[in-house]
Amino acid sequence: EAQVTQNPRYLITVTGKKLTVTCSQNMNHEYMSWYRQDPGLGLRQIYYSMNVEVTDKGDVPEGYKVSRKEKRNFPLILESPSPNQTSLYFCASSLQGPDTEAFFGQGTRLTVV
Amino acid sequence: QKEVEQDPGPLSVPEGAIVSLNCTYSNSAFQYFMWYRQYSRKGPELLMYTYSSGNKEDGRFTAQVDKSSKYISLFIRDSQPSDSATYLCAMIGGGSNYKLTFGKGTLLTVNP
Repeated sequence: EAQVTQNPRYLITVTGKKLTVTCSQNMNHEYMSWYRQDPGLGLRQIYYSMNVEVTDKGDVPEGYKVSRKEKRNFPLILESPSPNQTSLYFCASSLQGPDTEAFFGQGTRLTVV
Repeated sequence: QKEVEQDPGPLSVPEGAIVSLNCTYSNSAFQYFMWYRQYSRKGPELLMYTYSSGNKEDGRFTAQVDKSSKYISLFIRDSQPSDSATYLCAMIGGGSNYKLTFGKGTLLTVNP
């Protein structure tokens, strides 16, 4: 089954404690990205990757890091989480091109206290 | 002015009603227009995709794009309780980042 898998689904952490949210896709997609979804603000892109070892900032990259060492995996790293990073996070993947379907993971609900 | 404007609702309709969902946008570079559906506690999933102006029909769903007015619509005919979800319009412009720019989403409830 074609899917994007995120882990964990729910996470509560404390300010400053480094964390990683994993994302893996089994569709051999080149393009992957991370979004955060906040009430009243909608979905906003954090980072994206066009292919292995190629990453770039989206609209709201501050406080986040990513890496793309393998085609299937695109982890999101919060080196020093802060309460304003409390949000619902989605990983997405697609083939190259703007006319291809983006597949989203189930989401990770992060709370930073 | 935000790039994509979408009335968040909520919108509540009886089963069988025709539903109209709309978005306006300000960026003339947008060329690809999508509607995503998001059920509670799930990720968005693609419902309809259109390129440039025109109509596209898929079963009970019709997507319309009017680039001259910077306005897109999604119509749902014979709405069902299973259509209850948040509907997100999304757009992609030119350039190498296939970033989806989303509206805030409209929460739709179809009552049996």
